[in-house]
Amino acid sequence: LAKTTQPISMDSYEGQEVNITCSHNNIATNDYITWYQQFPSQGPRFIIQGYKTKVTNEVASLFIPADRKSSTLSLPRVSLSDTAVYYCLVGDISSSASKIIFGSGTRLSIRP
Amino acid sequence: SAVISQKPSRDICQRGTSLTIQCQVDSQVTMMFWYRQQPGQSLTLIATANQGSEATYESGFVIDKFPISRPNLTFSTLTVSNMSPEDSSIYLCSVTSGRGTDTQYFGPGTRLTVL
Repeated sequence: LAKTTQPISMDSYEGQEVNITCSHNNIATNDYITWYQQFPSQGPRFIIQGYKTKVTNEVASLFIPADRKSSTLSLPRVSLSDTAVYYCLVGDISSSASKIIFGSGTRLSIRP
Repeated sequence: SAVISQKPSRDICQRGTSLTIQCQVDSQVTMMFWYRQQPGQSLTLIATANQGSEATYESGFVIDKFPISRPNLTFSTLTVSNMSPEDSSIYLCSVTSGRGTDTQYFGPGTRLTVL
């Protein structure tokens, strides 16, 4: 199973760039790396997904080194509304949902 | 993307009773999942709801306690049976088309409190 390890919590300030790193040492060849965001009293929401190198969308960037044993979610110029829990997931849901494990997540707090 | 609704959004129940949670999707989806999220904790997969066959349960979860139905490609139910206070949690359903690159879309969750 591709277990993930993330920092439990992070603090930052409005307007700063925030980078959250996730370790996944035993990632398999077919596994994708997906990040979700969860606000209180809501279900997780997809942020970004990647397989290798760099992926960017309107919300975030995802950096994946060549060995794919880690990944970094980058949130540019955060605001108070980015305060949430961020989950890194690794797996291929088409092969086995059991292998898609939500880790502890990173609780990000943004201050004014 | 898919829009998912859950009913009820919350409930308070007495121990020993059962509650059925509904999950409705606005489009046909291949895979549906049920998760549990205890207060302040991460999500734990309960089972995969398979259309036309029995659900596939994860370790620690059994059909007698969490019976699941999936009568078609847009709907599923999860029943929490013979409830105890330890079942107090948020229950979430999610869907995906099942392709390797596909992401999961989550419902808003059902907050269950068992007294």
